[in-house]
Amino acid sequence: DAKTTQPPSMDCAEGRAANLPCNHSTISGNEYVYWYRQIHSQGPQYIIHGLKNNETNEMASLIITEDRKSSTLILPHATLRDTAVYYCIVRVGQGAQKLVFGQGTRLTINP
Amino acid sequence: DSGVTQTPKHLITATGQRVTLRCSPRSGDLSVYWYQQSLDQGLQFLIQYYNGEERAKGNILERFSAQQFPDLHSELNLSSLELGDSALYFCASSASLMGSYNSPLHFGNGTRLTVT
Repeated sequence: DAKTTQPPSMDCAEGRAANLPCNHSTISGNEYVYWYRQIHSQGPQYIIHGLKNNETNEMASLIITEDRKSSTLILPHATLRDTAVYYCIVRVGQGAQKLVFGQGTRLTINP
Repeated sequence: DSGVTQTPKHLITATGQRVTLRCSPRSGDLSVYWYQQSLDQGLQFLIQYYNGEERAKGNILERFSAQQFPDLHSELNLSSLELGDSALYFCASSASLMGSYNSPLHFGNGTRLTVT
């Protein structure tokens, strides 16, 4: 699996959009970008994933650059409950492949 | 709620002992994955089963073993426990291999193992 690079920590004010960047410059054509988060020792929670088009669901939006070498996870209106470690992972899409977690970004939402 | 159930939530045991952690996957999911998270190691992949068969192996110690039963639940067995085995153990599940292109993993809330 391709490796990803994320900033170790970020802060965001409550109510503002949180934009979390991820670099994956060695991503292959058949690899998807996945985002998970882990809130204080709970199980990792799936957020969103995409291949090359931008994606949006009820939790977040995922913006993938045209060359697919980087992406941004956007939480449109961050709340205190969004404080967590966010993991960007690239994974081969076909078949039930494991996820390989890096260190992630520790996002702190401030009141 | 992810739909993945892990029991027990907490387990305290002594060094040298053996424990069994249990995982029930989401309804319909055939793949089960086990992960270990200790304070200094992050989330480490241990092993994956698909429909009862071992599919992938990570850095799982020889003292650890797992299996997936016909009803698709899985058990992780940890033996000759050491202090360093204290960690959170997570189970995840995903849909079948076929027709599940890019199916995400869904995680349970883990078992916290403390070895004293």
